[in-house]
Parts: sequence; structure tokens; C-alpha cells
Amino acid sequence: GAVVSQHPSRVICKSGTSVKIECRSLDFQATTMFWYRQFPKQSLMLMATSNEGSKATYEQGVEKDKFLINHASLTLSTLTVTSAHPEDSSFYICSARGTGIPEAFFGQGTRLTVV
Amino acid sequence: AQTVTQSQPEMSVQEAETVTLSCTYDTSESDYYLFWYKQPPSRQMILVIRQEAYKQQNATENRFSVNFQKAAKSFSLKISDSQLGDAAMYFCASQNYGGSQGNLIFGKGTKLSVKP
Repeated sequence: GAVVSQHPSRVICKSGTSVKIECRSLDFQATTMFWYRQFPKQSLMLMATSNEGSKATYEQGVEKDKFLINHASLTLSTLTVTSAHPEDSSFYICSARGTGIPEAFFGQGTRLTVV
Repeated sequence: AQTVTQSQPEMSVQEAETVTLSCTYDTSESDYYLFWYKQPPSRQMILVIRQEAYKQQNATENRFSVNFQKAAKSFSLKISDSQLGDAAMYFCASQNYGGSQGNLIFGKGTKLSVKP
């Protein structure tokens, strides 16, 4: 299957700072990328969908000014958690899908801890 | 709205035995995909199997097979000859046939334990 690389795998940041998470499709062009949040022992919650070159579509209840998503190229999307607070601590996962490919491929995930 | 229901929070199987994980879904679409994803302790989401709704034949991938009942909106996963490495969370998901736009709707997951 296709490979999606997500970095960093773990990050600890201080409350009030911003942190950026990268999601790269290594061997295909990702026309659409998805960002999820997963709490312990729970399912994946879709945060937003981004298409290359256009603004992301956020799910209801997700603060777009807090979770900035950029999908500037067909191989890279970034999620920036701005002014992070302890309640933002979670596991964030990206996935990517290419044109004509029905299944999405997932990155390894990022465990964010805000102290 | 699409919904996916996994009614078994936890399941257990003896190594080398067969186990079936249940999934039901609801959608108003006529064309859609159904997936089973595996999430081991590493938390990497791994695609196990995919089924296109327009196909009557059940998908099979080695030891993994599905029982797709479109009228009943049921999509169960059968794991044959269970191995210790099959222990993981299993998520059932549906996706509208919207090309690259449709997003996955996940069930709450089933935690599978494999006993040696």
C-alpha cells in the first residue's frame, strides 16, 4: 500500500506555545488529506478535511483558529495547534487519499502532550 | 447521516481459532465503500480489507474475509486461524462513493485479544 509519513511521532510543548505536525504522502499524490483526533480507548474523531490548494473544511465543534491546517502541495499537509493548552493533549492522526483511490492511508500518528 | 455501529467492545479468541467481529451501518447512499481497519498497540491504522457496495461477492484477504449483507446493512469480519499478531483494535468504517472527497465514518471499535 501507499506510504504516509507523519512527524513528529511525539511532542511535548509548553502551554501557550504552538506546535506543527506534518503529514506527507511519500509515493502518491494526496488530493485529499484528513486530520483526526483520538482519545484513549476511543475511536477516531474527524477534525477536518483538506484539499490541495484550498481551505480546509472543519467538522462542527472544531476551532479553525486553534487548529490551523495547510495543504499547500499534493504531498504535504500540516496541522498547527496554536496556543496549546493541556486539554489539547491527545493523539493526532492524518490520512491521505489520492485521485481514483478509494482507501485512505494513515500516518503513524503524533502524541501531543501539553505541559 | 452515516452511522457505523460495532456492538462488541471486546472479543477474545484462542490462537488458531476463528473469530467474527460484527458491524452494522446506516447510509442513504446507494454507492459506498466499507472497510475494516486494524489498530495495534503502536496505534498505526492498517487497512485490513475493503468492500465495494456494488459488488455482491464478499471480499477476502488471506485469513480475513467479510460477510457483506447489503439489505441488512451488515458487514462482519471473520479472522481465520487467529494469530497473536492479530490482537488489536478493529474499526469498521464506511465511506460514500465520492471519489477522493468522501470521508470515513468509523465505528467505536472492537478490542480483540488472542489467547496463546
